[in-house]
Amino acid sequence: QKEVEQNSGPLSVPEGAIASLNCTYSDRGSQSFFWYRQYSGKSPELIMSIYSNGDKEDGRFTAQLNKASQYVSLLIRDSQPSDSATYLCAVNRGRGTYKYIFGTGTRLKVLA
Amino acid sequence: EPEVTQTPSHQVTQMGQEVILRCVPISNHLYFYWYRQILGQKVEFLVSFYNNEISEKSEIFDDQFSVERPDGSNFTLKIRSTKLEDSAMYFCASSQLAVLNEQFFGPGTRLTVL
Repeated sequence: QKEVEQNSGPLSVPEGAIASLNCTYSDRGSQSFFWYRQYSGKSPELIMSIYSNGDKEDGRFTAQLNKASQYVSLLIRDSQPSDSATYLCAVNRGRGTYKYIFGTGTRLKVLA
Repeated sequence: EPEVTQTPSHQVTQMGQEVILRCVPISNHLYFYWYRQILGQKVEFLVSFYNNEISEKSEIFDDQFSVERPDGSNFTLKIRSTKLEDSAMYFCASSQLAVLNEQFFGPGTRLTVL
């Protein structure tokens, strides 16, 4: 079982729609969860962090965490063509380790 | 807005040569990291660094790799004898805290080993 799993996509949504990106993780004790956006050939850019169960909203982005189900998601409202990128889920286990474990990313295509 | 910077943006080297990749973390950050991403693959952790010493390293970070903070601003990754399989994007990241931390990534150095 992979430590952090994401559907590689591509996930295609029309402009203005809600894009829903999902991530599961294997270590139940994981403490910190992050969503990054990565354009082709560029570095990961932090979008959201979430540490406790529930929803966290920032502009058009909402991160959702369910530790019981070991599941974290990212919703992008009013998707724009500029949102087309690969979205990386990263997990930090805590408990003395500071490294992020990344998923392979989901490629999002927003169709104009 | 403060950001992590990296130089060079692209490094081409011959197999067996030594390379040094440079990073300037965000100025008030205390924790520094190197990750790499082989083309088409996921981002992988290499090493974390705090208080002038390695705090954690992965299996990838073998004796060919070393890190250093030579002065108050730079953070470097050295690969002593490059192999073809070291070709990748290398990202430096920094964070202010260790726990519940947000890591901010630099633009990366593309290393090509011929």
